[in-house]
Amino acid sequence: GAVVSQHPSWVICKSGTSVKIECRSLDFQATTMFWYRQFPKQSLMLMATSNEGSKATYEQGVEKDKFLINHASLTLSTLTVTSAHPEDSSFYICSAWDRRGTEAFFGQGTRLTVV
Amino acid sequence: DAKTTQPNSMESNEEEPVHLPCNHSTISGTDYIHWYRQLPSQGPEYVIHGLTSNVNNRMASLAIAEDRKSSTLILHRATLRDAAVYYCILRDGNGGFKTIFGAGTRLFVKA
Repeated sequence: GAVVSQHPSWVICKSGTSVKIECRSLDFQATTMFWYRQFPKQSLMLMATSNEGSKATYEQGVEKDKFLINHASLTLSTLTVTSAHPEDSSFYICSAWDRRGTEAFFGQGTRLTVV
Repeated sequence: DAKTTQPNSMESNEEEPVHLPCNHSTISGTDYIHWYRQLPSQGPEYVIHGLTSNVNNRMASLAIAEDRKSSTLILHRATLRDAAVYYCILRDGNGGFKTIFGAGTRLFVKA
């Protein structure tokens, strides 16, 4: 079945550096992908909608200059956390729906720790 | 804001059925009801979905109220591996895929 793969699964970076997270749809095309972040014991919070070939749509309160999203192909979306700070430490998850909207496929998540 | 409300947590004994409720009183006629579950440190996984009629699959059953303002996910025989957070979400059948998650229900399964 369709799979969404995220890379890396975990990353530790220093404050002030940038980190890129990749989200790939492995056997289907995804014109739209979604990025979520999740803090411990909390639900998924939608950050932005990634649109292939156009600008991402950010949810209210999410800094677009800090969380750069690029969706350059039908199978790849990237989220770059720029100038990361410890408060950006979180679990980041991407997803994409199948064409019919039957099922959303989620990546395995990326745990970001900023030290 | 999330359009669904669920109990924060529920507890079940292993091998017994579990009924996880969800309220979605503002559901529109084109909204599909989807259920996902999330194991620790993993992305959510699909469980089941439906529109009006009850649905069954190998994982679970979904019972949808006649007025569609609530639904219940039924795990027929809970196992320890079913311990997870279960999310009930609505998807706009008019082509919208943007999904807002509510708090979900954390299911504890006792051996």
